[in-house]
Amino acid sequence: QKEVEQDPGPLSVPEGAIVSLNCTYSNSAFQYFMWYRQYSRKGPELLMYTYSSGNKEDGRFTAQVDKSSKYISLFIRDSQPSDSATYLCAMSSTGGGNKLTFGTGTQLKVEL
Amino acid sequence: DADVTQTPRNRITKTGKRIMLECSQTKGHDRMYWYRQDPGLGLRLIYYSFDVKDINKGEISDGYSVSRQAQAKFSLSLESAIPNQTALYFCATRQGANYGYTFGSGTRLTVV
Repeated sequence: QKEVEQDPGPLSVPEGAIVSLNCTYSNSAFQYFMWYRQYSRKGPELLMYTYSSGNKEDGRFTAQVDKSSKYISLFIRDSQPSDSATYLCAMSSTGGGNKLTFGTGTQLKVEL
Repeated sequence: DADVTQTPRNRITKTGKRIMLECSQTKGHDRMYWYRQDPGLGLRLIYYSFDVKDINKGEISDGYSVSRQAQAKFSLSLESAIPNQTALYFCATRQGANYGYTFGSGTRLTVV
């Protein structure tokens, strides 16, 4: 079993929809949680960063962490065609060099 | 100029050849990483370096070597390339233990 599980999609939604992207994990030592966005033929770029449990909002994006369920989510409101990309979750603990463990990514397509 | 620059962007090489992928950064970060990305497997850590004299193996270091020539330069070598090393390779930097990564645009390597 992988430490981080993420549905690969593809997920197709109409423009303006609310998108929910999720990851589950098995390592209870994970404390730092991130979401990266990766456009085709580009490197991942950091979108959201949260520590421990709770919510964080940035514009149309909201990240949620539920450590009791080992479940993290990224919500995108009023989705736009420019949001079409692959979204990667990533997480790390405080030890072991703080190496990031990535999910495999969810491919999102926002249709006009 | 990009914060993290990888060269070449694309490379096709033959089985058994030695090849070097280069990474340079202008972020001033001490921590540098090499990842490979494969469909369905996500990003996997090959090597990482916390400073010029500190090199560490990641989860899939066999068949690879690295050199940290300076704080800003971190190169990845495939000593004798094999077809299953065909992948997208990313270099990343990080300001510190609890920060997100800044990725380069990647090198698409094909071994024939």
